[in-house]
Amino acid sequence: EPEVTQTPSHQVTQMGQEVILRCVPISNHLYFYWYRQILGQKVEFLVSFYNNEISEKSEIFDDQFSVERPDGSNFTLKIRSTKLEDSAMYFCASSSGTGGWKLFFGSGTQLSVL
Amino acid sequence: RKEVEQDPGPFNVPEGATVAFNCTYSNSASQSFFWYRQDCRKEPKLLMSVYSSGNEDGRFTAQLNRASQYISLLIRDSKLSDSATYLCVGPYSGAGSYQLTFGKGTKLSVIP
Repeated sequence: EPEVTQTPSHQVTQMGQEVILRCVPISNHLYFYWYRQILGQKVEFLVSFYNNEISEKSEIFDDQFSVERPDGSNFTLKIRSTKLEDSAMYFCASSSGTGGWKLFFGSGTQLSVL
Repeated sequence: RKEVEQDPGPFNVPEGATVAFNCTYSNSASQSFFWYRQDCRKEPKLLMSVYSSGNEDGRFTAQLNRASQYISLLIRDSKLSDSATYLCVGPYSGAGSYQLTFGKGTKLSVIP
């Protein structure tokens, strides 16, 4: 069964450092998303991406965040200068845009900012 | 502001029991809802889509009540493997918004 894959599974970084989280969405999907979940809290929307541009972003997705689809398969989330409060599980998701907008999630990258 | 509210639980039920969760939403323009299941420190996995006519998949039944703006999930004959957090997700308004809103989740523990 096709799946969304994310790398790395764990990322530890120092405050102020840049991190790039990588995702390979399901191959025939057209809509891509990043969500995050701080430990013990709900899953929060960060950004959606369609047709090589951001469709929508939340207030969490400030100037420190950026997304890119550098080739036909990868979808990345970059945090330019990490803060302690960026520590969370980051989930990539994709959707075909049909079938009621079902999202399929990757297994996540646990980001720890020290 | 779009919100989805759930009872966090935990719901502790014996094997074989029937358990029901409700979820309320505030955006009356909503079109689509989902129930996702999340195991501890894992990704959310789609359990069911929710239709106003009711949607049944084996032991699971989901319903949408637009008049009262709530979504329900019924689990019959609970199994130990049903222990997880159940996330109510929506709404997708269809008005060019691709953002889904997650509830905080309802924790279910099925006890032997």
